[in-house]
Amino acid sequence: KAGVTQTPRYLIKTRGQQVTLSCSPISGHRSVSWYQQTPGQGLQFLFEYFSETQRNKGNFPGRFSGRQFSNSRSEMNVSTLELGDSALYLCASSNKPSDRWGYTFGSGTRLTVV
Amino acid sequence: GNSVTQMEGPVTLSEEAFLTINCTYTATGYPSLFWYVQYPGEGLQLLLKATKADDKGSNKGFEATYRKETTSFHLEKGSVQVSDSAVYFCALSLNGGSQGNLIFGKGTKLSVKP
Repeated sequence: KAGVTQTPRYLIKTRGQQVTLSCSPISGHRSVSWYQQTPGQGLQFLFEYFSETQRNKGNFPGRFSGRQFSNSRSEMNVSTLELGDSALYLCASSNKPSDRWGYTFGSGTRLTVV
Repeated sequence: GNSVTQMEGPVTLSEEAFLTINCTYTATGYPSLFWYVQYPGEGLQLLLKATKADDKGSNKGFEATYRKETTSFHLEKGSVQVSDSAVYFCALSLNGGSQGNLIFGKGTKLSVKP
């Protein structure tokens, strides 16, 4: 079956712009989580959605937001981009909330802010 | 707070050498523990997992045992291959509630030379 699909794979934006990233989970998975990966901070949790409800949020400013649709697809938005937002953004899906059994990750969207 | 600490890399080994990557954790409650692997330019792949004390996770020749008494989940492989070259992340997930997100270690880069 198809894995977690993230689009686009690469993105270049200018400081001050906004960006929307998309994640399609594995069919049947209802939980979607987002992570930011940078060389300095490593992997940091952004937020988690289950059945269109945000269940948990990491320690990021309000410029970072997300949502989940009824088909479980999720989007995250970053407004007023800063150079420090350059990162690999990873989406992960699971078939239940707070999954003890592991999450399946997509290949990520590489965002570069110039 | 909850956290994961892994040995600093990079780790460079010759093919067929024995691998150990140390991982210790601090957590409230009873976490599930995971090892993820990231190949260059890719997202994370779940390598193995353990959900309770004394469980051993294993996959592709890699093993890790959940040691509650030492709060550890060290990754081992008896004979590494060049294709094992990647970054390895130890992670924990707390049991249910509002903390289902993964908490990652900083990652350990492994390079295997022929």
